[in-house]
Amino acid sequence: TQLLEQSPQFLSIQEGENLTVYCNSSSVFSSLQWYRQEPGEGPVLLVTVVTGGEVKKLKRLTFQFGDARKDSSLHITAAQPGDTGLYLCAGARPRGAQKLVFGQGTRLTINP
Amino acid sequence: DTGVSQDPRHKITKRGQNVTFRCDPISEHNRLYWYRQTLGQGPEFLTYFQNEAQLEKSRLLSDRFSAERPKGSFSTLEIQRTEQGDSAMYLCASSAGRLEIATQYFGPGTRLTVL
Repeated sequence: TQLLEQSPQFLSIQEGENLTVYCNSSSVFSSLQWYRQEPGEGPVLLVTVVTGGEVKKLKRLTFQFGDARKDSSLHITAAQPGDTGLYLCAGARPRGAQKLVFGQGTRLTINP
Repeated sequence: DTGVSQDPRHKITKRGQNVTFRCDPISEHNRLYWYRQTLGQGPEFLTYFQNEAQLEKSRLLSDRFSAERPKGSFSTLEIQRTEQGDSAMYLCASSAGRLEIATQYFGPGTRLTVL
């Protein structure tokens, strides 16, 4: 069962364009984390959002947590070739071990 | 900067052999997680330790899998009688602080290939 639906799965755009990646669920999460993963490496944390409606900015990246804590988005402004990679959203279930449930990932390619 | 480390980074084995992976979490992190990631998918939870206690196991963790964290520091994941379906990236993560908002930091992973 895929609890987190991430879209789009693949995205190829030109340098300088803007893009948004979505992460949706019918489940509530206590927190949501975004990671970026390079081939053959582990996921590297970009941000953790905790409060419903929270917006966090990391340079050209803007992360938003939905008011109901069921969904999130990642917006990249003026994408650069260095942004190329696999972006993963992961929600922490509210009870127990706080294990992360991951989306399928968005493979982003920024063309020069 | 002592992040999460994993050893080995790559392991190639023949079907039926046993393999063991090691994870060293960030120092002072009391929680440790193992995940498995297959090609084209996001990681899936396998098991969770708080200190030395294994508190949760996924149904993905068959009887051939066993994990330990004997002193509440490093952890090992052993797979007995490996099968080709075990080929995957095995990821370890650690966290600390308030459980409900604790960020998990991942290691570089161990890529297992079963021939």
